[in-house]
This record gives sequence, C-alpha cells and structure tokens, in this order.
Amino acid sequence: QVQLQESGPGLVKPSETLSLTCTVSGGSISSYYWSWIRQPPGKGLEWIGYIYYSGITKYNPSLKSRVTISVDTSKNQFSLRLRSVTAADTAVYYCARTDAEMAMIYWGQGTLVTVSS
Amino acid sequence: DIQMTQSPSSLSASVGDRVTITCRASQTISSYLNWYQQKPGKAPKLLIYAASSLQSGVPSRFSGSGSGTDFTLTINSLQPEDFATYYCQQSHSSPYTFGQGTKLEIK
Repeated sequence: QVQLQESGPGLVKPSETLSLTCTVSGGSISSYYWSWIRQPPGKGLEWIGYIYYSGITKYNPSLKSRVTISVDTSKNQFSLRLRSVTAADTAVYYCARTDAEMAMIYWGQGTLVTVSS
Repeated sequence: DIQMTQSPSSLSASVGDRVTITCRASQTISSYLNWYQQKPGKAPKLLIYAASSLQSGVPSRFSGSGSGTDFTLTINSLQPEDFATYYCQQSHSSPYTFGQGTKLEIK
C-alpha cells in the first residue's frame, strides 16, 4: 500500500520560504506524477503543481513565480518550496500521487503551515 | 482557468436517502472529471475518476455520470459514513481546478 507523509516546519515567517518534503513508502517514486495541493483553513482545495519522476514540472500560474517542486528519486521523496510567503499561504498542504489523467489517487495526511511573525 | 461550480453548496439528507451533487465546468472538459470525499481533519479520498469510473475499494453506491460541462455524483442509500464534503476536480487542463465543495449533512 502506497503511503505519503509530509514533513516540514509548521510555522513560517512572512517573506520567508516555505519548504516541505513528501516521503513515499510502499512503492517507488519512479513513475507517476506527484502533486502538491493546499487547503486554507475552512476553504476549498487548490492545486499547486506536480513533478514527474523524470523532473518535468507543471505549476499553477497563480503561484508559478514563487514555487519550485523537486524530486529525489534516491530518497523516494519530492519537495515543495514556496518563496515570499504571506498570511494568505497559511493552509494545510497535501502531497499526492497523481495518475496520468491527473486524478489524485493517494494522499498524505496533510500538514498545517501557518505564516505568522 | 476552468471554473468548476458545484451545487448545492450544502445538503441535508437522511440515512438511506439517494442524493445527487452536480458539478458544472466553465468550458467543455470531455470526461476529465474526478470526485473526492473529504471528512473533517482528513485528506480527500478519490471516489470517481474519468467522470464515471469507480476507484478501487469505493462502495458501489457511489456513481458518477456526465461529459462535456455537466456532471453528477450520485450516492444511493446513504450510509452514516457518507456524511462529508465532496469536491469535483477537472483534469482536462492546467491548472487542475476544484469545485468549491458540497457539504453533506445529516438531517
């Protein structure tokens, strides 16, 4: 059974960089697409972007100037970096394995990141 | 961006009822439509992909239909564990947008 686990700081200061890692277990990260999705408290879901195991990325244009997603196949991990954060970036961040048709099949449990000084 | 609009935003129903949630896309998306269930404090769970295909392990009381711009999620014979928030998501083109959600509550 594929499992995903997000990790990273739960508190980030405004203007700094949010960094999260998703560790994949129970299967190889080689193949499939791997996405980041976020959900502000009490609100809906927003797709941030994905990375293919080969390193190909696609980002949501609304965040593209601030986002980098990378993959480390040797560690079975992929990562999210979001620069210049503001309070509007406060959200639960999820990682997910995504199939070729962009359905998000397996999800991590999510991690709350709060942007505050 | 493709806008996804769900209706209703909230819905009250009883155990055993049949409920239908609709999702409309702002432009045609063929059958590139997925449905998710989210319970409080939990990650979303994929229920239906490609508009009408049931994800492995999901009970058969869940079904999806539609193509183009109009889609429905139907739950037959509601069970207590089905009370949750449901989201549609288009996977036709980036950015892969979600509907605003439909909260299904116990009447």
